[in-house]
Amino acid sequence: EAQVTQNPRYLITVTGKKLTVTCSQNMNHEYMSWYRQDPGLGLRQIYYSMNVEVTDKGDVPEGYKVSRKEKRNFPLILESPSPNQTSLYFCASSHINEKLLFGSGTQLSVL
Amino acid sequence: AQTVTQSQPEMSVQEAETVTLSCTYDTSENNYYLFWYKQPPSRQMILVIRQEAYKQQNATENRFSVNFQKAAKSFSLKISDSQLGDTAMYFCAFTHKAAGNKLTFGGGTRVLVKP
Repeated sequence: EAQVTQNPRYLITVTGKKLTVTCSQNMNHEYMSWYRQDPGLGLRQIYYSMNVEVTDKGDVPEGYKVSRKEKRNFPLILESPSPNQTSLYFCASSHINEKLLFGSGTQLSVL
Repeated sequence: AQTVTQSQPEMSVQEAETVTLSCTYDTSENNYYLFWYKQPPSRQMILVIRQEAYKQQNATENRFSVNFQKAAKSFSLKISDSQLGDTAMYFCAFTHKAAGNKLTFGGGTRVLVKP
């Protein structure tokens, strides 16, 4: 079954404690991206990757890092989380110029 | 920069009735795509309908249809014969050819279908 898998689904952490949210897809998609969802703001793109070792900033990249060492994986790293990064995060993937498939979301709370 | 605006934060509708969600967008691009996504309480992002800007015909998917007014930059979603399972957050989204796969989303409209 084609899917985008994010882990964990829920995460509570404290300010400054480094964390990683994993994202994996099994469709050999070139394109992967991360979004955050906040009330009233919809989803906003954090980072994206067009292929292995090719990543670029989206609209709200501050405080986040990504890497794309393998085609199937695109982890989101928060080196020093802050409360304003409390949000619902989505990973998405697709072939170039085809429709996005979203993961199930990760609800992150930073205390 | 592209912007997408959904002016209705919340709407309610009686089961079996029709509800229309509004969406306006701003762009200088000519070759673009518009989408409506549904997000039920499970948080899944489900693609409801997709419209290509160069197609004048309005897209439909079963009980969901759009009214695409290109000159007015308007892209409303009509849900006919509303069902309880339609209760969800609905997002309007935009992308254009040069943006690759990046979607720009509106703020969302929460729809509550009442029995």
